[in-house]
Amino acid sequence: AAGVIQSPRHLIKEKRETATLKCYPIPRHDTVYWYQQGPGQDPQFLISFYEKMQSDKGSIPDRFSAQQFSDYHSELNMSSLELGDSALYFCASLPGAGTEAFFGQGTRLTVV
Amino acid sequence: GENVEQHPSTLSVQEGDSAVIKCTYSDSASNYFPWYKQELGKRPQLIIDIRSNVGEKKDQRIAVTLNKTAKHFSLHITETQPEDSAVYFCAASRGDDKIIFGKGTRLHILP
Repeated sequence: AAGVIQSPRHLIKEKRETATLKCYPIPRHDTVYWYQQGPGQDPQFLISFYEKMQSDKGSIPDRFSAQQFSDYHSELNMSSLELGDSALYFCASLPGAGTEAFFGQGTRLTVV
Repeated sequence: GENVEQHPSTLSVQEGDSAVIKCTYSDSASNYFPWYKQELGKRPQLIIDIRSNVGEKKDQRIAVTLNKTAKHFSLHITETQPEDSAVYFCAASRGDDKIIFGKGTRLHILP
């Protein structure tokens, strides 16, 4: 069965650079969540989309932005990268609110 | 907003014994409570979930209980096995809202 696809799997960037993370949800899932997970930390909610509209926003820095496109894939854009942005970024897709969240394998971002 | 507290942060259990992880939530409107298991460097995966109209749910060696009045829910793993070693996250959602995670419990199964 198709799963949530995230790309790239690994990304190394220098401070002050920009990064774009992509998420391709499971077909017919209309909800996408983005989470940031630091080493040994719980996943922190960043932002969510429902039917291509932003539905909620968490502790997402102003340097980050995201959108969901007409084909339901989502991109997380991160600018002016800082060392503290190094983390595992997960995207999850849901067939509807209040249902199981299916996580992608994550993108490991390292800022040097 | 919702706040989920999870205890303990680390739990060591002898193989074959039971493990219990407890969580509390703050938003009385939350009605969906999933539990995720995350192995090192891998994605969180749902192991069991419960909705607010149910007090208990069981799936083989895993069970979850929910006390809506106390805003408390727990994960029970019986007859623990080495492959149960992982980080477990409880979470809560209002159903039409984001899923908020607890800080996780690192479960070690001792031989």
